[in-house]
Amino acid sequence: SAVISQKPSRDICQRGTSLTIQCQVDSQVTMMFWYRQQPGQSLTLIATANQGSEATYESGFVIDKFPISRPNLTFSTLTVSNMSPEDSSIYLCSVERQGFRAFFGQGTRLTVV
Amino acid sequence: GQQLNQSPQSMFIQEGEDVSMNCTSSSIFNTWLWYKQDPGEGPVLLIALYKAGELTSNGRLTAQFGITRKDSFLNISASIPSDVGIYFCAGPDANAGGTSYGKLTFGQGTILTVHP
Repeated sequence: SAVISQKPSRDICQRGTSLTIQCQVDSQVTMMFWYRQQPGQSLTLIATANQGSEATYESGFVIDKFPISRPNLTFSTLTVSNMSPEDSSIYLCSVERQGFRAFFGQGTRLTVV
Repeated sequence: GQQLNQSPQSMFIQEGEDVSMNCTSSSIFNTWLWYKQDPGEGPVLLIALYKAGELTSNGRLTAQFGITRKDSFLNISASIPSDVGIYFCAGPDANAGGTSYGKLTFGQGTILTVHP
């Protein structure tokens, strides 16, 4: 498996502000993935983060709203910018490992008020 | 894009009962993954299936990769209270060539409640 640590585990933020979520993996990985899970919903992929290149965003997600950094092979950040209550979700990072299996961090539960 | 349909959406069962849930797709999948998510946690991988017809067990859990490659089933035998949670099926996104296992399409989930 993989040990994936996310910070913060939860936060309550004011609308219009930004929050940066950190994801640390226990060993080097080529790609890291960021997902969003809206309340009572399934997981939706936001973007794929490769070290040394810009992140690749899925349809419906843009870099201005969700800027991503990938400074090395064990770390990535996702920023939720100019937040509104609709951004209240669980944000999860994920890596691919071990015989083509995807593993997830514990998630960051964001509430925007 | 790809869509995965899970059923049932929710289940309420008594401890000791067996559970069965399934996942269907309109397109072919080369891999099926089953995850469980506890409240306040990220999804945890339960079983991975790689070949049509494959039947794989993990303790009291058994999953099967459908012959048509368009469905998969997860069974839990002799349920216990800690089986409570949301169960998701998932598969690699075909737009990624169906080979990037980090880029997944998820079903809507099955919420399992077990009464002691």
